[in-house]
Amino acid sequence: AQSVSQHNHHVILSEAASLELGCNYSYGGTVNLFWYVQYPGQHLQLLLKYFSGDPLVKGIKGFEAEFIKSKFSFNLRKPSVQWSDTAEYFCAVSPQGTYKYIFGTGTRLKVLA
Amino acid sequence: NAGVMQNPRHLVRRRGQEARLRCSPMKGHSHVYWYRQLPEEGLKFMVYLQKENIIDESGMPKERFSAEFPKEGPSILRIQQVVRGDSAAYFCASSPPRGTGGNQPQHFGDGTRLSIL
Repeated sequence: AQSVSQHNHHVILSEAASLELGCNYSYGGTVNLFWYVQYPGQHLQLLLKYFSGDPLVKGIKGFEAEFIKSKFSFNLRKPSVQWSDTAEYFCAVSPQGTYKYIFGTGTRLKVLA
Repeated sequence: NAGVMQNPRHLVRRRGQEARLRCSPMKGHSHVYWYRQLPEEGLKFMVYLQKENIIDESGMPKERFSAEFPKEGPSILRIQQVVRGDSAAYFCASSPPRGTGGNQPQHFGDGTRLSIL
């Protein structure tokens, strides 16, 4: 069965620390990959997406993610987090040619000022 | 706000009542998706609709749950005879028609938090 794993459920960092959130998926075919962020009390917003091409994807707010096909991973990174990055982050996978999104369970990031 | 609009934001129902959740997609979007998020879990796909058509309802519970997306008006997710286990956040997403640039990201609403007393 297709699944997405986000191993870090809760992450606490100090401002200016570097961030890496893991995302692994299980699916044998070609996929589209997404990271969404949900700030407290708000809706999910698209941070970045990968469809094809350069496996290093840059998104909004200084976030980037790298697709490593051999590892079935799409980890999210940010070199220096800010207090305003406190939010929940969701990785999602969509088998190419389908509409279904399979979400991970999310990672709650808390950044201490 | 031209985003995906869901209402109500919070809905409280007693066991046995009906819950109706509404979703208006973004302008120009004709595809609507409903997801359910249980506490400490990720979003789980429920149903995919286009105008007047249910395309895939494989994630919907077989009983008590139904969804529609009429020609006019918002998409409705209906839960009849609610039970405590229906308490969750229900998110709606929309996307443009496929073929307008390939796979398009889904845009999400704020969700409806359903609480069953």
